Amino acid sequence: KAGVTQTPRYLIKTRGQQVTLSCSPISGHRSVSWYQQTPGQGLQFLFEYFSETQRNKGNFPGRFSGRQFSNSRSEMNVSTLELGDSALYLCASSLQTGPFSNYGYTFGSGTRLTVV
Amino acid sequence: QKEVEQNSGPLSVPEGAIASLNCTYSDQGSQSFFWYRQYSGKSPELIMFIYSNGDKEDGRFTAQLNKASQYVSLLIRDSQPSDSATYLCAVNMNSGGYQKVTFGTGTKLQVIP
Repeated sequence: KAGVTQTPRYLIKTRGQQVTLSCSPISGHRSVSWYQQTPGQGLQFLFEYFSETQRNKGNFPGRFSGRQFSNSRSEMNVSTLELGDSALYLCASSLQTGPFSNYGYTFGSGTRLTVV
Repeated sequence: QKEVEQNSGPLSVPEGAIASLNCTYSDQGSQSFFWYRQYSGKSPELIMFIYSNGDKEDGRFTAQLNKASQYVSLLIRDSQPSDSATYLCAVNMNSGGYQKVTFGTGTKLQVIP
């Protein structure tokens, strides 16, 4: 079956611009989570969506937002880009969610964002 | 204190040896724990999960959990050069009744032929 698809793979943007990243989860998976990965900080949780509702949000400024559609596809948006937003953005899908869930993530290949 | 802590390494082991990777976490209420492997330039992939105290074995991998000590470990037996990667510990934490999976910064493992 198809894996988690993220588009685009690479993006170069200028400071102050905005960007939208897309993620299509594995068919049947309704939970989509987003992470930012940088060499210094590792994987940082951005937010999780389940059935079109944001379930949780990490400690990122309001410039970072997201949404999920009825087909479980998700987008994240970053407005007013800063140099520090340069990172690999990973989308992860899961069959189930919850604080006691034992279902792990399947990650997409990521979107490499470079802000210049 | 970080929510999930791992030694960044690198941890170097000879081929055929046992590699031991460790992780501690801060949230006493955490119930589910995961190990992911990430090869350079690739995305993380799930290799193990554990939720009960004790050991869980899957092939050459053994996950160990001690909730009282808030400690999770991963043992890799008969280490192979193909095991060289960064290993990420992840903890499912209860955040307002919802999950929040928090990752450690990872331990880089090098298996020397």
